[in-house]
Amino acid sequence: DVKVTQSSRYLVKRTGEKVFLECVQDMDHENMFWYRQDPGLGLRLIYFSYDVKMKEKGDIPEGYSVSREKKERFSLILESASTNQTSMYLCAIGGPPNEQFFGPGTRLTVL
Amino acid sequence: QKEVEQNSGPLSVPEGAIASLNCTYSDRGSQSFFWYRQYSGKSPELIMSIYSNGDKEDGRFTAQLNKASQYVSLLIRDSQPSDSATYLCAAIMDTGRRALTFGSGTRLQVQP
Repeated sequence: DVKVTQSSRYLVKRTGEKVFLECVQDMDHENMFWYRQDPGLGLRLIYFSYDVKMKEKGDIPEGYSVSREKKERFSLILESASTNQTSMYLCAIGGPPNEQFFGPGTRLTVL
Repeated sequence: QKEVEQNSGPLSVPEGAIASLNCTYSDRGSQSFFWYRQYSGKSPELIMSIYSNGDKEDGRFTAQLNKASQYVSLLIRDSQPSDSATYLCAAIMDTGRRALTFGSGTRLQVQP
């Protein structure tokens, strides 16, 4: 069974705080992704990584950064949280042949 | 902008009927297509993948791909109330990027 875990299911932060969202996998997959999901906008790609210490910008990277120091762990960082970053954040891992599996998600509220 | 389009619904079918969910995509070079099911408040769950033209069956689910028409569909036979969810169509576009591009989802309601 594929196992993708995310550090929190629900998180409440204040505007301006630095926020860390963690994603951990136990499948030894190289590809990891961060998406956010908003009503009416669907799922949008923030950042992704194909290997340790490697990262690529997705479609909406502004206001976010990522870190991948170990193969199994991919962190999303909100440098200075803003209310428009209130969203559901979903981590996914990708294995062959391009199938992706999602973690349970983190619902972040920024006040 | 390369896109995946779905009718948002809701699509309402009676229990036991066939539910037909449709999706079109703009990038003719796309090769990989996926259907995810998402229950309210939960993360998407992969239910089908399809890579070549034709039909692919898995239990009550059949995915259909027509690359010439740039069209993907999902049929759910003998629909059950537990199938009520949002179904997301996704594709890997021909950009060299292995990330998925998602449609906005179709909400399916199966009436008991």
